[in-house]
Amino acid sequence: DSGVTQTPKHLITATGQRVTLRCSPRSGDLSVYWYQQSLDQGLQFLIHYYNGEERAKGNILERFSAQQFPDLHSELNLSSLELGDSALYFCASSGGQGWQETQYFGPGTRLLVL
Amino acid sequence: AQSVTQLDSQVPVFEEAPVELRCNYSSSVSVYLFWYVQYPNQGLQLLLKYLSGSTLVKSINGFEAEFNKSQTSFHLRKPSVHISDTAEYFCAVSRTGFQKLVFGTGTRLLVSP
Repeated sequence: DSGVTQTPKHLITATGQRVTLRCSPRSGDLSVYWYQQSLDQGLQFLIHYYNGEERAKGNILERFSAQQFPDLHSELNLSSLELGDSALYFCASSGGQGWQETQYFGPGTRLLVL
Repeated sequence: AQSVTQLDSQVPVFEEAPVELRCNYSSSVSVYLFWYVQYPNQGLQLLLKYLSGSTLVKSINGFEAEFNKSQTSFHLRKPSVHISDTAEYFCAVSRTGFQKLVFGTGTRLLVSP
């Protein structure tokens, strides 16, 4: 158990819909990262938040948005869903600094868009 | 921009044999390098990382990787694999620690008895 929790584990929805994925980081970790893993695109970094502030963006579509709340949990919102958004969405958190910093991944949310 | 190439999509090996999973990266600036492991139906786990200093980095479960700047490589090795090492291994690179990681396509390590 990495200490990072993600809900829900599975999500099935239809094209055009909107979903929210939730992530709770390890206790004490201020950074939260979101990744997408799909057969087509492989593993891609989406976005990074640190203590409530957006720090870096990767290949995140405009239809997707995220936020990190004061209690440090994070949500990834996916809207106007398309078939190609079907993927595993991972959240990770990190803590520590420099060479001591390490990263832990959650178990993922598997999204299926029909 | 950085990129990562994992040349082998699958590496079959017998238990107790040595293994090397290859990773080459491309970057015009200094980078940080990482290896992650993904067991079936699980999230990724950080195996080891190179930030600076000694070019040989080791994990707690017997894996090691060597940063070779001249060959822009960060190959992962283990002298003797176990069945439990069967998993997918991802090499990743970034300019800023865990931010904006760029992943390779992964290498599936298949260990058979």
